This record gives sequence, structure tokens and C-alpha cells, in this order.
Amino acid sequence: ETGVTQTPRHLVMGMTNKKSLKCEQHLGHNAMYWYKQSAKKPLELMFVYNFKEQTENNSVPSRFSPECPNSSHLFLHLHTLQPEDSALYLCASSQDRFSNQPQHFGDGTRLSIL
Amino acid sequence: AQKVTQAQTEISVVEKEDVTLDCVYETRDTTYYLFWYKQPPSGELVFLIRRNSFDEQNEISGRYSWNFQKSTSSFNFTITASQVVDSAVYFCALSEGYGTASKLTFGTGTRLQVTL
Repeated sequence: ETGVTQTPRHLVMGMTNKKSLKCEQHLGHNAMYWYKQSAKKPLELMFVYNFKEQTENNSVPSRFSPECPNSSHLFLHLHTLQPEDSALYLCASSQDRFSNQPQHFGDGTRLSIL
Repeated sequence: AQKVTQAQTEISVVEKEDVTLDCVYETRDTTYYLFWYKQPPSGELVFLIRRNSFDEQNEISGRYSWNFQKSTSSFNFTITASQVVDSAVYFCALSEGYGTASKLTFGTGTRLQVTL
């Protein structure tokens, strides 16, 4: 079983839709992350959760709303998105926020906004 | 502020050639960690190596080797006898500090294309 699983793999939505991205990790980690990867840009950290508590919001617009019900699951709720939000959204997990252990990534959800 | 520069946007080699991917970093911390990740077309970033700032010993893992030089703030990655399966985007990343809320800063990546 893969360490970090993201669903769906692909998502096409209109600007007025509401959808959610899901991430699940089976590694026993306590920190989870959302990143945005756009073409020709470095990966952008969006949110960080450590032991289910949000520890970082990297100035992300409110149309992105994260949720972390437990250390194994992370959601990204989407509503009223803009065309510039089309990107690959990557979830990652690591042992915790402080130990500099490697982050392990999922395959990502490729999001297209019509 | 920390910064990672991967000046090579794209590299093309023929199978069995050796190739080196460059990574230069900037940090004010004396304690930091450097990482390399591989992103194949499937999208997942695969962790390759982590090196801390106090360990300048070069590392070899199969066809992969890493050259860490603090004097030039570089952490270069060499693939020996490249194969088509090595085709991917490779990211270098930096994390500062220890025991603090670390933040991983990525470079823009180098796309490696290995052809037959």
C-alpha cells in the first residue's frame, strides 16, 4: 500500500462548484502538508498541520479551506476557484514539523478550473 | 531568507551518459538540511536523499552520487550511466534549523530527458 494516497487524481470543475481533495497517509506521521505546483514555479507550501493543529497558512486565499480530522487524513475544500488555481496539488506527510525528517508525497491531484 | 537555485532548466542526454544536476543554496543558518527529490511523469515526488550541514561526506547509492560542498554552497547530484527510467524532474530543497518549525524550500527543478 502506498504511503500517501491522494484522491481524485484528476479534477475538472467550474468556478462556481464546490469540491474536496482528500489525502490519506499510512506512515504513522504526525505532520501533513498541502503544496501547489504550477508550471514553471517552485512548489508553494499552502498549509501545514502538526498533530491535527494547523501551524501554517502561507497567505492562501480563503477559497481554499483545509481540514485535518486526524493525523492520517487531510482535506482541501475548494469553492469559487479561479482559472489561475489550475495546478497540481500535492499532499505530503512527515514524522512531525520539527525534526527535519523527509516529507513523503502523494501522486497529487491535477486540478483544472474551467 | 533561504533560497535554492537550480540553474539548469532542462538537460537531455543519451542513455549511458553521466549527468550532473546542479544545486546552489543560500541560508544564514549554520544548521540546515538538504534534500533531493525525483518527480516522474506520474506526479509523485520521490525522496532520494537528506544531508545535514555538518556532514560533508559525499554519498553514493548505486548509480546516484551526491557532492556536498559548503565552501560553494552547492549540493550537486550525479547520475552515472543514465537510463531512460531516470527521465523525470529533479528538485533540490533546503530546510533550515533543528527543533524549530522547519520549512522546506524547493528549487524550480531540472527536467532530465534520457533518450535511447
